[in-house]
Amino acid sequence: EAGVTQFPSHSVIEKGQTVTLRCDPISGHDNLYWYRRVMGKEIKFLLHFVKESKQDESGMPNNRFLAERTGGTYSTLKVQPAELEDSGVYFCATSPGGSGIQYFGAGTRLSVL
Amino acid sequence: DQQVKQNSPSLSVQEGRISILNCDYTNSMFDYFLWYKKYPAEGPTFLISISSIKDKNEDGRFTVFLNKSAKHLSLHIVPSQPGDSAVYFCAAIHAGNNRKLIWGLGTSLGVNP
Repeated sequence: EAGVTQFPSHSVIEKGQTVTLRCDPISGHDNLYWYRRVMGKEIKFLLHFVKESKQDESGMPNNRFLAERTGGTYSTLKVQPAELEDSGVYFCATSPGGSGIQYFGAGTRLSVL
Repeated sequence: DQQVKQNSPSLSVQEGRISILNCDYTNSMFDYFLWYKKYPAEGPTFLISISSIKDKNEDGRFTVFLNKSAKHLSLHIVPSQPGDSAVYFCAAIHAGNNRKLIWGLGTSLGVNP
């Protein structure tokens, strides 16, 4: 069974540009989470989908970040316009309903120059 | 304000000996705790978990102990192997918070042959 897939694995953009990260979940996992790790800091929650609905987006830094989950399948996280402080590794994780265990993708390393 | 703390950034042990990784938390509403292992350029991989109603959970070489009164948990690896060298993250879930993970900063474990 395929795991959580994220792409691109690495993105280098200039300040002010737009970047879209994608996450393909494990088939059948209704819960999808986005997290971010900024260098030197702990991994932090961004938001949570249950199927296509946003359950909790309390961790989203500001309105430059937009997440969607099309038809309850894959999810995208768009940053527009990107700022220097957006640099970090963005992880996607999924879990089946009722489980506390989340399964992570390899992450997308975003570098904003 | 960090709710999950891993106060040892790194730990070095000899192959075959015991590795003990520690984690403290401040929020008494956490009801589920997880340990993840992370290799460079990969996402966190689930290792072992424990519910707040238990004080011990064991899976092969890995045992997690929970002391609720002290708000402390530890991961024991016996015997340690060179392949265990990785960053270990402690994470917690608050029952009412959509199962989002609250993370520690991680402890880098090096197992020397």
